Amino acid sequence: DVKVTQSSRYLVKRTGEKVFLECVQDMDHENMFWYRQDPGLGLRLIYFSYDVKMKEKGDIPEGYSVSREKKERFSLILESASTNQTSMYLCASSLLLSTDTQYFGPGTRLTVL
Amino acid sequence: DAKTTQPNSMESNEEEPVHLPCNHSTISGTDYIHWYRQLPSQGPEYVIHGLTSNVNNRMASLAIAEDRKSSTLILHRATLRDAAVYYCILNFPGTYKYIFGTGTRLKVLA
Repeated sequence: DVKVTQSSRYLVKRTGEKVFLECVQDMDHENMFWYRQDPGLGLRLIYFSYDVKMKEKGDIPEGYSVSREKKERFSLILESASTNQTSMYLCASSLLLSTDTQYFGPGTRLTVL
Repeated sequence: DAKTTQPNSMESNEEEPVHLPCNHSTISGTDYIHWYRQLPSQGPEYVIHGLTSNVNNRMASLAIAEDRKSSTLILHRATLRDAAVYYCILNFPGTYKYIFGTGTRLKVLA
């Protein structure tokens, strides 16, 4: 059974802190994605990676960076967390770029105080 | 990027069929139509996808209009576990872009 796991379901951080969100997939997928989900705005793509050490900006990359040192792991980094980054963060992976299914993790609800 | 339009919410009675509409009038000839759903407190999960022909799987059916400007996700017998937000998404093959709209919140009444 395919699985995408995220390091925390809930996280509370203070403004200015550096925050790491971790995502691990066990399906040997090349592609991994980070989205954020906010009420009324749906899911928006932050970054995606199509291979180890490769990344591309999504629609809202400002204030975020990513790291992919191993195929199964994709990290989202908030260098200096701000209150407007309070959100639900969802990680996903897929095998191919085209029509292949994206498999999502359960999400991390991040609150920045 | 092609956009999709869905109703904000719909209701259905348990054990009855549900037809969830999606308009995508700017769809291009090679865009695939995907449907995902998001159950409460979970990440989205794949439901079904298609290009031109109607598609069936164990979860649902996808009916695609002949001009491809709209599609309908059909749940044949809604259960309480089908209460979720359903997203209609267009995807151009060879790109990573999934544009999620705000989806349709389906409420299933017992």
